[in-house]
Parts: sequence; C-alpha cells; structure tokens
Amino acid sequence: DAGVIQSPRHEVTEMGQEVTLRCKPISGHDYLFWYRQTMMRGLELLIYFNNNVPIDDSGMPEDRFSAKMPNASFSTLKIQPSEPRDSAVYFCASSSGLGYTFGSGTRLTVV
Amino acid sequence: QKEVEQNSGPLSVPEGAIASLNCTYSDRVSQSFFWYRQYSGKSPELIMSIYSNGDKEDGRFTAQLNKASQYVSLLIRDSQPSDSATYLCAPEPSNTGKLIFGQGTTLQVKP
Repeated sequence: DAGVIQSPRHEVTEMGQEVTLRCKPISGHDYLFWYRQTMMRGLELLIYFNNNVPIDDSGMPEDRFSAKMPNASFSTLKIQPSEPRDSAVYFCASSSGLGYTFGSGTRLTVV
Repeated sequence: QKEVEQNSGPLSVPEGAIASLNCTYSDRVSQSFFWYRQYSGKSPELIMSIYSNGDKEDGRFTAQLNKASQYVSLLIRDSQPSDSATYLCAPEPSNTGKLIFGQGTTLQVKP
C-alpha cells in the first residue's frame, strides 16, 4: 500500500488566489481527516469524513475553507481566497478506526 | 482547560537514559489513546496505542494509562539520538473516531 498520498508537497501562492489541496486515503479506510499544523497552534483538526460524509467541520476556520470527498478514494481541501495567515502545513490522514496514518503533508505558503 | 495538555519541552536526556513524556486530557469518556512521533519536517507516525488502564510495552517503549486521573504517559528506555523528535499525545474523545492532539513534547537525546 502506498499510504496516504497528498499533493502538491509544496504550494506557494499569492494572496487572494484559490488553493486546492488533494488527498488519496488508504484503500479500505473509512475515515478521512484534514489537519493544519503551525508552530503556534500545533495540529488542528479542520474537518473529518466518515464514509465520504462530512461529520464535523467545526474546525474549519472560515467560510473561505471548504472540503469535499466525492468518493472513497479522493478528497480536496480548498481555500478561496487565500490569505498569508493560511500559511501552514496541511495534513490529510485516514483511519479504519484504530489510529491514523498521515500523508506527507502540503506546505502552503501564501505571500 | 485545554483538551490535551503536554509539556512542550524541550526535554533533554543523555543517551541510554529513560525519557518520560506526560499527557493529561479533559474528556472522561475517552477510551483510546495514541502516541505519535514527529520528526522535524515529517508527518506524525503512530508508535503506540493503549486502551486499558495500566502499562503496555512495545520494545523500548512503554505507554501507561490512568483513566481515573486522566493521565497517559510514554516511557522510552535506553534513549537513542534517533529518538529525538516531537511526541504527540492523542486521545480519542467520546469514541468519535477523531483524535485531538496535544502540542507535543520535544525530546532531545544527547550522545
């Protein structure tokens, strides 16, 4: 198994632009999570899905953030418009209910 | 009170010593607890899980859980420089399937 696959690994964008982060979970895992990590705030849960259905999006910071999971093998996290304070590492993780496996993360820099 | 509290460190120990990492959590219903290790610039990786009160040993690692005190710890015996990383405590509140991470404790093992 290739693990959780995230793309891109790095993203540099200008303020105001739309950013889309992508994630392919491990096959058979029915939970998918999006986290954001910064030095100041640590790992913050943004949203999670169970069987492709969003369960809890209370961690999504603003309406500028949205996430979708159209099928069991793909999810996106979109930021529109992006702002410099969105700069962070965004992790996707998947689980079958016994701990998570994280992807390698996307380092987002908004200038 | 934060949901998960860890001493951010850094915790510095000499090579070969025992490193003790501690975590307290606020949700009394949590049944599952996980320890993740995160090397600088990498994603978190699961190293231990514990579900019952008491100790669980895996090689040089021992997780200890006391649900009455809402306390979980990780002991690393015979610490090695390769153990230098940030260790994240993650209880699963109310069996929701999601994990809430502490800020992490940075461990430095000095040769």
